Amino acid sequence: QKEVEQDPGPLSVPEGAIVSLNCTYSNSAFQYFMWYRQYSRKGPELLMYTYSSGNKEDGRFTAQVDKSSKYISLFIRDSQPSDSATYLCAMVNTGNQFYFGTGTSLTVIP
Amino acid sequence: DAGVTQSPTHLIKTRGQQVTLRCSPKSGHDTVSWYQQALGQGPQFIFQYYEEEERQRGNFPDRFSGHQFPNYSSELNVNALLLGDSALYLCASSLQGRPEAFFGQGTRLTVV
Repeated sequence: QKEVEQDPGPLSVPEGAIVSLNCTYSNSAFQYFMWYRQYSRKGPELLMYTYSSGNKEDGRFTAQVDKSSKYISLFIRDSQPSDSATYLCAMVNTGNQFYFGTGTSLTVIP
Repeated sequence: DAGVTQSPTHLIKTRGQQVTLRCSPKSGHDTVSWYQQALGQGPQFIFQYYEEEERQRGNFPDRFSGHQFPNYSSELNVNALLLGDSALYLCASSLQGRPEAFFGQGTRLTVV
């Protein structure tokens, strides 16, 4: 079983839609839960991270963690064509080692 | 602030050769991690350097080695290149003990 599972998509939504991206993990020792955005041929860009169960909001983005279910989500409100990218979740252990999902490819259609 | 910079951006090598990739961390960061990202996959952790020592290592063979310099910059060396080593190699910098890791744009390595 992989440490982190992420639906690769692709996901295609109309502009203005609410997008839900999800990951599951198997190791209950993970302490930080990260979301990165990666444009084609670029390095990943940190969007936000959380360390506890619950919600964290930053502008149009909301990160949600449910440690009891080992499930994390990223919601994007009022999606824009510029949000079109691959979204990577990453779980971080106590040694600050990152375990990434495979990424979900998102296209927002104008 | 220049952020994390990597060089070169692209590289083509022949099977069996050796390659060195370079990374300068974000200003103020002291920890450098290296990742391999195959096409369509998430980044895979290779190793992490802090205080010029390898602190953690992922599931990569000894052909992959690294170094960190006193100015916190780092090198990744890969010996005896295989076709399967073709990937985007990413460097991430952070401050020891903090989870925020910032990535460079990567080096695209093609082994032919």
